[in-house]
Amino acid sequence: AQKVTQAQTEISVVEKEDVTLDCVYETRDTTYYLFWYKQPPSGELVFLIRRNSFDEQNEISGRYSWNFQKSTSSFNFTITASQVVDSAVYFCALSEPSTGTASKLTFGTGTRLQVTL
Amino acid sequence: ETGVTQSPTHLIKTRGQQVTLRCSSQSGHNTVSWYQQALGQGPQFIFQYYREEENGRGNFPPRFSGLQFPNYSSELNVNALELDDSALYLCASSLWGTSSSYEQYFGPGTRLTVT
Repeated sequence: AQKVTQAQTEISVVEKEDVTLDCVYETRDTTYYLFWYKQPPSGELVFLIRRNSFDEQNEISGRYSWNFQKSTSSFNFTITASQVVDSAVYFCALSEPSTGTASKLTFGTGTRLQVTL
Repeated sequence: ETGVTQSPTHLIKTRGQQVTLRCSSQSGHNTVSWYQQALGQGPQFIFQYYREEENGRGNFPPRFSGLQFPNYSSELNVNALELDDSALYLCASSLWGTSSSYEQYFGPGTRLTVT
């Protein structure tokens, strides 16, 4: 069965520090998709990135970067030079097409990031 | 903003009552999924609708049911409300059948409180 683990419940950093959010997943499938979502206090989940299992290339988007390693079943998310606006709960999620339900996402429990001045 | 809207924003119901939550998907999207997010937890998949039919369901009892309309908007109905149904209910839309099928865009959610 699929599972996503975000072991860090809460992280506090001072603005401009770099921070890495960890995500470990479990799946029996060879084809799957991994996601990161941001949930600010307003509650809406904001899509950040999708990565398929055949693409292990790391990705950078501005201050955000993602490190996908199939060997360790991890998909970690790094924010460089954090800002107060980055404060939110971040969720890692997994989708397995073999379930027949394309949009069924299995979420981790989330990591609350608090960035202070 | 994603273009996915949900109504109402907040709702308070009594145990045993029934509730209907509504969702309008992003323009051009044909698939709607519903998630339940209890406080301090990650969202849990309830079910997905595609072409007005349920297409996949999570571990939720039959008193959770839904509809999808020809314009791809959707409703989530919950009967015989229980205290544990108190949660944020999120709707997500996607465009099935394209390379972006697995990208879902979420609405702001409906906060349901059952007393």
